[in-house]
Order: sequence, then C-alpha cells, then structure tokens
Amino acid sequence: GENVEQHPSTLSVQEGDSAVIKCTYSDSASNYFPWYKQELGKRPQLIIDIRSNVGEKKDQRIAVTLNKTAKHFSLHITETQPEDSAVYFCAASWVTGGGNKLTFGTGTQLKVEL
Amino acid sequence: GAGVSQSPRYKVAKRGQDVALRCDPISGHVSLFWYQQALGQGPEFLTYFQNEAQLDKSGLPSDRFFAERPEGSVSTLKIQRTQQEDSAVYLCASSTINEQFFGPGTRLTVL
Repeated sequence: GENVEQHPSTLSVQEGDSAVIKCTYSDSASNYFPWYKQELGKRPQLIIDIRSNVGEKKDQRIAVTLNKTAKHFSLHITETQPEDSAVYFCAASWVTGGGNKLTFGTGTQLKVEL
Repeated sequence: GAGVSQSPRYKVAKRGQDVALRCDPISGHVSLFWYQQALGQGPEFLTYFQNEAQLDKSGLPSDRFFAERPEGSVSTLKIQRTQQEDSAVYLCASSTINEQFFGPGTRLTVL
C-alpha cells in the first residue's frame, strides 16, 4: 500500500517568513495530493490540492509543487501569519471513479512567532 | 450548507463496553470514509462506503470494529468490547470525486 513520509515534524518561523513542508510517497499510482490544516481540537480542512498532471499550483500565499519522478511534493506558505499556526498534513490517494482513500503523513506542527 | 456532522463529540467508555459513533455526511455525497486519528498522528483509513455498499474495509483493525450505512446516507461505526488502544478521534469524511470534507470527529476515551 501507499506510504507517505512528512518532514519536518515541527517548524518554527518568524512572522512574515516562508515555511516549507515536504512529503514523499511510495505508490507511483497515486495521482491526487491534498494538504490539510488542522487546528487543535478541530477537523482537518483542505487548504490546497494538486493532481499528478500539474507540477505546481498556487492560491494566494499557499503553493504546492509536485515532482512525480522523485515522488516528492511540498507545501510552501509565504508571508506567514500567526493564524497559520496549526498542524499540517499531506496526503496521497489514487483517484478512480469512486473510492479514493487518503494516506496521510504524520503531520507538521507549524508555529509562527511574532 | 451544512457540513459533515458527527455525534457524540465525546464518548467515554469503560473497557469492554460497546460504542456506536454516528456520521451525517453532506447531502448527496455518495462516498463516505471513516478514519482513526491517534493523538499526535495523521488520520488512518478504516473503511469506505459508496452509497450503501462497503467497498473497502481493509483498515478496520479487528473484527470488533463494524461499520454500516444501510440507506446510503447516515453511517454508524460500532466498536464492540472496547479496549484502551481504541482511544482516539474517529473522523468521518464525505466526498466528491476528489475533495474529502471532514466532520469534527468523535473523541473516544476508553478507561
């Protein structure tokens, strides 16, 4: 089955700096890679996703890059703000007509310091 | 519109008790997933439904875990004879083709 590794486990940045979180996956059949933000005691919320036919996707301060050859994908957050502090999870799945269970990484605790 | 809801939000059970966790998906979502999230970990897949059919239950950790979705909408995850290692947050998600929308989870504590 799929295995997703995520680094770093914790990340502390100064407000306004950039943050980068990296993930690798094992199953070359995976073709959908979402990123979720989870605040303490809250549900995971999708912040950005990318499909395998795209190398990069950007949404305001958040971007995701995908290297299919190396089976790497990364989350980039620019101009970090205190409200970006949370746990971030990457995930991978193989999207078919139905049934796309997500395999999650172990999470990155991001802390944005004033 | 209403998102995914789960009940109860918190459940404390004595070891050996049976529990039932409920998930109300987003109306019209065909796909429904259950995940288990241990403290400090990412969610782990338990089982998947397409309408009322349970198409994948490969993640259920033992035969004490059972899930159903009899009318293709509300789903129930049942855990029999709970054990301490069952303590976790149980997340339900309903899905379009790609994006999965998560519920707030049920935090189960087994004493």
